[in-house]
Amino acid sequence: LAKTTQPISMDSYEGQEVNITCSHNNIATNDYITWYQQFPSQGPRFIIQGYKTKVTNEVASLFIPADRKSSTLSLPRVSLSDTAVYYCLGGMNTGFQKLVFGTGTRLLVSP
Amino acid sequence: DTGVSQDPRHKITKRGQNVTFRCDPISEHNRLYWYRQTLGQGPEFLTYFQNEAQLEKSRLLSDRFSAERPKGSFSTLEIQRTEQGDSAMYLCASSLGGLAGGPDAKNIQYFGAGTRLSVL
Repeated sequence: LAKTTQPISMDSYEGQEVNITCSHNNIATNDYITWYQQFPSQGPRFIIQGYKTKVTNEVASLFIPADRKSSTLSLPRVSLSDTAVYYCLGGMNTGFQKLVFGTGTRLLVSP
Repeated sequence: DTGVSQDPRHKITKRGQNVTFRCDPISEHNRLYWYRQTLGQGPEFLTYFQNEAQLEKSRLLSDRFSAERPKGSFSTLEIQRTEQGDSAMYLCASSLGGLAGGPDAKNIQYFGAGTRLSVL
């Protein structure tokens, strides 16, 4: 399982784009990068997953450079409701894989 | 609601009592996981079921903890002789396992809202 490192916290304002970078220097060939979001008193929620280049869905974009040693979660035009903890996880996309969470990045969006 | 549901949402108990939590996964999901989360930390893996078989247990799961998934549907997590250190959020997740590389094999786990346990 790839060990991931991400900032402990970030601050932003409503309407801004937020980019959270995660480093995973020892990512394996079969590892995917997955991001989860967690609000207080709720379970984590899957946001996006990717292997390389760029993945976009209705919630976020995920940029993974060619060397795959880092990835960036991009949240466009954040709102107050995006205040949450964001976890970057590395692991195989196939078969059983327990999720290994770090402490995540606490994003605070202010008015 | 077709998501993962957990019951109860909150449980307060006295030290030494037994508690049991229930998890109902997404109906077609064959894999079920239990995690524990303490304040300020990310969730930590406890155990995993594929259908009714418990295939892996973390060292965090002491002999006071037992989990079952008798018919491959819902699961229960029991803690016997609770200790104050057991106070945490207990999260259940489920996923649809598939063949390697197939569209179902992304290991995307869907979490319930958790059961918050407070041991007094």
